[in-house]
Amino acid sequence: QQQVKQSPQSLIVQKGGISIINCAYENTAFDYFPWYQQFPGKGPALLIAIRPDVSEKKEGRFTISFNKSAKQFSLHIMDSQPGDSATYFCASIDTGRRALTFGSGTRLQVQP
Amino acid sequence: DAMVIQNPRYQVTQFGKPVTLSCSQTLNHNVMYWYQQKSSQAPKLLFHYYDKDFNNEADTPDNFQSRRPNTSFCFLDIRSPGLGDAAMYLCATSRVGVAGKVYEQYFGPGTRLTVT
Repeated sequence: QQQVKQSPQSLIVQKGGISIINCAYENTAFDYFPWYQQFPGKGPALLIAIRPDVSEKKEGRFTISFNKSAKQFSLHIMDSQPGDSATYFCASIDTGRRALTFGSGTRLQVQP
Repeated sequence: DAMVIQNPRYQVTQFGKPVTLSCSQTLNHNVMYWYQQKSSQAPKLLFHYYDKDFNNEADTPDNFQSRRPNTSFCFLDIRSPGLGDAAMYLCATSRVGVAGKVYEQYFGPGTRLTVT
């Protein structure tokens, strides 16, 4: 019940295209859903996050869509750039445990 | 800038030789975490401190210990490193507010541990 399932495992997008990464969870106690971006050899960087009381949050080119009834959330990267090439992790947290449960990660490659 | 700092960035130790990794934060967050990340995998939580309360994950080996002498600092001790402990070790911090609501979690740059 602690799992977060992330797909796809890898994604290749052309420059200027839309990158979409999906996550699904089962634990209804999860109440915070961040996305992290990680470059090789670096720590994960918080990209954008959402709480379940809203269905969408947008920050610049990055948008989270959240479907509480389906227990799914996704990251959309508009106008994808080569500099966006990184590994993206979705995560969830339940307040009682105070710890992130990570998805397995998506390696995004944006081709010029 | 407020941040999470990890030292050293790269650490080489010998098989069985104790090693300590350090983390400091200027965010004044009340929770500090240690994660282990191996190549092409998601970070795996080892343990965390909520203020002075230590919370160990059930599957964290006894070989891994931690200390938090004050709000700003947290240490990861690996008592007898094995070859399988070679990994990136990530420190993170978060704030837990009223009624236990957890806020954003921020990661440090990590320490790459090599075991020879």
